[in-house]
Amino acid sequence: RKEVEQDPGPFNVPEGATVAFNCTYSNSASQSFFWYRQDCRKEPKLLMSVYSSGNEDGRFTAQLNRASQYISLLIRDSKLSDSATYLCAVNRMDSSYKLIFGSGTRLLVRP
Amino acid sequence: GAVVSQHPSWVICKSGTSVKIECRSLDFQATTMFWYRQFPKQSLMLMATSNEGSKATYEQGVEKDKFLINHASLTLSTLTVTSAHPEDSSFYICSAIVPRRGLSYEQYFGPGTRLTVT
Repeated sequence: RKEVEQDPGPFNVPEGATVAFNCTYSNSASQSFFWYRQDCRKEPKLLMSVYSSGNEDGRFTAQLNRASQYISLLIRDSKLSDSATYLCAVNRMDSSYKLIFGSGTRLLVRP
Repeated sequence: GAVVSQHPSWVICKSGTSVKIECRSLDFQATTMFWYRQFPKQSLMLMATSNEGSKATYEQGVEKDKFLINHASLTLSTLTVTSAHPEDSSFYICSAIVPRRGLSYEQYFGPGTRLTVT
């Protein structure tokens, strides 16, 4: 089993739709969780940290489910500009700040 | 967020030559920076951790004599790909960590360097 797993997609949704991605992790002791957005041929950009209590930033909501060992990202009212690959990241067992990245979920928002 | 710059953004070099990539933290001091490599349609793979004032630590399978890392100041880390081969062609991205609430950190990435070895 991979340490961090994501559905590669693509998720193809119309503008205005709500879409959710999950990311599962294998280390139950993980403490730090993040969602990044990566556009084609660009660097990952931090979208949001995922706290135990969840995190909301505008149209984006991130949740942590420790019991089932996954984090989720919900995007409401999708925009064309949301089209990108979304990477989840979890801290490694041997470090509180070294991250393991999932392979990403690709989102395509169509007009 | 925090701003990390990287230079050059792309480089083409011939097999056997060396290439140096610079990573700078622009608005904060970074005692720790990371170097990643990303092949097409794959995720980021950590190559090494660059520590200011001390030796870099390399991930398993990464040759330290081939990928030389120097972190001489709190705002600059360099990665030199020595004796480059075509299989070293990749997207190299650096990052730096910024402490956040509690004991957590957030990691910010430079814009990356696309290396093509011919």
